[in-house]
Amino acid sequence: GENVEQHPSTLSVQEGDSAVIKCTYSDSASNYFPWYKQELGKGPQLIIDIRSNVGEKKDQRIAVTLNKTAKHFSLHITETQPEDSAVYFCAASKKIGDYKLSFGAGTTVTVRA
Amino acid sequence: DAGVIQSPRHEVTEMGQEVTLRCKPISGHDYLFWYRQTMMRGLELLIYFNNNVPIDDSGMPEDRFSAKMPNASFSTLKIQPSEPRDSAVYFCASSFLGGSGANVLTFGAGSRLTVL
Repeated sequence: GENVEQHPSTLSVQEGDSAVIKCTYSDSASNYFPWYKQELGKGPQLIIDIRSNVGEKKDQRIAVTLNKTAKHFSLHITETQPEDSAVYFCAASKKIGDYKLSFGAGTTVTVRA
Repeated sequence: DAGVIQSPRHEVTEMGQEVTLRCKPISGHDYLFWYRQTMMRGLELLIYFNNNVPIDDSGMPEDRFSAKMPNASFSTLKIQPSEPRDSAVYFCASSFLGGSGANVLTFGAGSRLTVL
């Protein structure tokens, strides 16, 4: 099955700085890569996703890049704000025949005011 | 839509007792997933359904765990008998097959289970 590794496990940044989280995956057939944000006491929420036919996607202060050759993808948060403090999970799945997401272990991001 | 609704939000029980967790998926979603989250193992997929039919239960830890989906708007996860190592947050999620064929998951708020 798919194995997703996520780094770092914790990340502390100064407000206004950028945060980068990196994930690698093992199954070259994976072609859907979502990122979830989990705030304290809540379920994970989808914040951005990328399909394998796209190398980069942006949504305001967040962006995701994908390198299918190297089998890694990254989440970039710019101009971090205190409300960005949360646990972030990357995930991977195949498009056809497999609707299971394999999640990374999560990154706890703390934005210092 | 109110999103994925789970109950109870918190459950504290004693070892050996039966626990039933409930989930109402988003209307129109045809996939339903049960995940378990612990510090040690992260998010683990237990079982998922498509159109109320269980598709893959390979993540269910053991026979003490069972899940049902009697109709499109309701699912249960039952643990009988419960053990302290079952203590975790259990999430229900539902999804639809997006335009590109991707699996777009929406999670509920979770049920925090503590087995004493």
